[in-house]
Amino acid sequence: SLELTQTPSVSVSPGQTARITCSGELLSRKYAYWYQQKSGQAPVLLIYKDSERPSGIPDRFSGSSSGTTVTLTVSGVQAEDEAEYYCQSVDSSGTILFGGGTKLTVL
Amino acid sequence: QVRLQESGPGLVKPSETLSLTCSVSSGSITNYCWSWFRQSPGKGLEWIAYIYDSGSTHYNPSLRSRLSISIDTSKNEFSLRMTSLSSADTAIYYCARGHSDFQDTSGWDIWFAPWGQGTLVTVSS
Repeated sequence: SLELTQTPSVSVSPGQTARITCSGELLSRKYAYWYQQKSGQAPVLLIYKDSERPSGIPDRFSGSSSGTTVTLTVSGVQAEDEAEYYCQSVDSSGTILFGGGTKLTVL
Repeated sequence: QVRLQESGPGLVKPSETLSLTCSVSSGSITNYCWSWFRQSPGKGLEWIAYIYDSGSTHYNPSLRSRLSISIDTSKNEFSLRMTSLSSADTAIYYCARGHSDFQDTSGWDIWFAPWGQGTLVTVSS
């Protein structure tokens, strides 16, 4: 079955760069999307179509893709970036898939 | 800026039916698709279903037999009906606006923004 796999947790110190990956065979032919979900809040779209950033999203968030892996990079991590991050894609039938989520901890 | 607000019963008994409504304000419900998601306590995001303003629908295969999604463009709202609830359906239910794009080479792409604040549904007797 088609799955999206994320590392469960990533920890970085403030000011460092965090890289969160999402892998799956689907991503070699379909775009990935990234969402940030802070504790007790609804998800917010961070990146669409692998690397596009919606208006209002800080430019320290960026996305990239290579083969079956997509990466969300958070440059100059701030305390407010501590959150759960989810990747999402769409299979050929239109079914929406999510990765299991990555908890970003700011040390 | 478009806003979404979920409404629902909060507490549902096992085996009963859940009905949720998402009201869309400060924007039109036309020219987008509209979706429901849920998040069980301490778990990740799960997509439930989406509907286009045309009425075309798509359901999560694992939930399809229990679902019905509908849209009322005159009221700027869309709704979800889920039957035969169990404790496994206890979750925060979110609605969201979907943006879709079709490519000849790769088919449909759909992403979601904004999301509603979510409504907690507890299934318990």
